[in-house]
Amino acid sequence: GQQVQQSPASLVLQEGENAELQCNFSTSLNSMQWFYQRPGGSLVSLFYNPSGTKQSGRLTSTTVIKERRSSLHISSSQTTDSGTYLCAMDNNNRIFFGDGTQLVVKP
Amino acid sequence: GGIITQTPKFLIGQEGQKLTLKCQQNFNHDTMYWYRQDSGKGLRLIYYSITENDLQKGDLSEGYDASREKKSSFSLTVTSAQKNEMAVFLCASSINRGWEQYFGPGTRLTVL
Repeated sequence: GQQVQQSPASLVLQEGENAELQCNFSTSLNSMQWFYQRPGGSLVSLFYNPSGTKQSGRLTSTTVIKERRSSLHISSSQTTDSGTYLCAMDNNNRIFFGDGTQLVVKP
Repeated sequence: GGIITQTPKFLIGQEGQKLTLKCQQNFNHDTMYWYRQDSGKGLRLIYYSITENDLQKGDLSEGYDASREKKSSFSLTVTSAQKNEMAVFLCASSINRGWEQYFGPGTRLTVL
């Protein structure tokens, strides 16, 4: 079964709107990470966030271990935020990636 | 800071051919990883290595071999290329297993 569920699968925003991306895990996790990927591009690490809340500019990541979930909040979206957002978790036994959220921000 | 380089950027092979992908990192990280990303999908772990000469199988190791010749380099061999494994192959490294991963630019494999 799917060990990491990402939602939504796709999202279209108008510039300036906020977005909340979710990752839910079917097993306990020891570490998790959020990545950004442009089409045809490599992965850029946004947050390494095994637990708690981290913020970087307009991005905020919150991981709640006991609820087996992590979220990525994008505030005041910009067209340059368009791309795919991936989450990944490591439970010390296996590493799992979600299928990603494809974000399109329209001007 | 550091960088991960992958060669080649594009790899074209014939069905049944043996193909090798290379990855180098200068972060001085102990752990390195190989992933495969099919179009529109997340990444799946093929192999990882926690130190020189170590190899650990991931979920997708069948049909692949790997080699960690030295700390800074990690190679992946497709033992018999198949059309259904056309994908982007991504290399990553981290200080240790479970720590933050950094990715290379990827190698796109096409099988004719």
